[in-house]
Amino acid sequence: DAGITQSPRHKVTETGTPVTLRCHQTENHRYMYWYRQDPGHGLRLIHYSYGVKDTDKGEVSDGYSVSRSKTEDFLLTLESATSSQTSVYFCAISEGLADSPNNEQFFGPGTRLTVL
Amino acid sequence: SQQGEEDPQALSIQEGENATMNCSYKTSINNLQWYRQNSGRGLVHLILIRSNEREKHSGRLRVTLDTSKKSSSLLITASRAADTASYFCATVDWAGGADGLTFGKGTHLIIQP
Repeated sequence: DAGITQSPRHKVTETGTPVTLRCHQTENHRYMYWYRQDPGHGLRLIHYSYGVKDTDKGEVSDGYSVSRSKTEDFLLTLESATSSQTSVYFCAISEGLADSPNNEQFFGPGTRLTVL
Repeated sequence: SQQGEEDPQALSIQEGENATMNCSYKTSINNLQWYRQNSGRGLVHLILIRSNEREKHSGRLRVTLDTSKKSSSLLITASRAADTASYFCATVDWAGGADGLTFGKGTHLIIQP
């Protein structure tokens, strides 16, 4: 497995509470991504980063924010968790842009989040 | 919005048989990739095919791409029980960019021993 870890791996929280998920990589890859995976929807991009302090929104960014203060860490924050944010969250990294030769994405093991 | 759409949603075959999964997409693409996900795990990249390629092989995997029909197929030959997993196609739009891949909903493949 590529050097990607996610923490926590499992979390149960209550509606209205803030939650932060962490993705940590040891590959020094420039690009990092947060996806959510839900039955019937596949993976959907939440936010991505193309460098330290450089982030942008994905398809389903409402209710989420991200930060990247170091190359190796990409944080996903749910400002006020809702039940609709119950999901499995995956972090991914890639060395190059999606249309470049080194564009393979490497995925972390996922975080299962339950919002009650 | 979802770009790729895999077909079938689920497939169950006997070990040793070939498994074929299809993916249709909507817009012009730069490349199309296939990923595998074992239960409870992250996705693993299998193979990439560029828009100017028609067929690509990697071990027991064969991928075809028909840009006129906006479709791709993944063939796994001589299937093994370890191939049991979900398979996703993912597309990169022609414009490329840092926002990466758009995934389909996946095909769940079960290989019966």
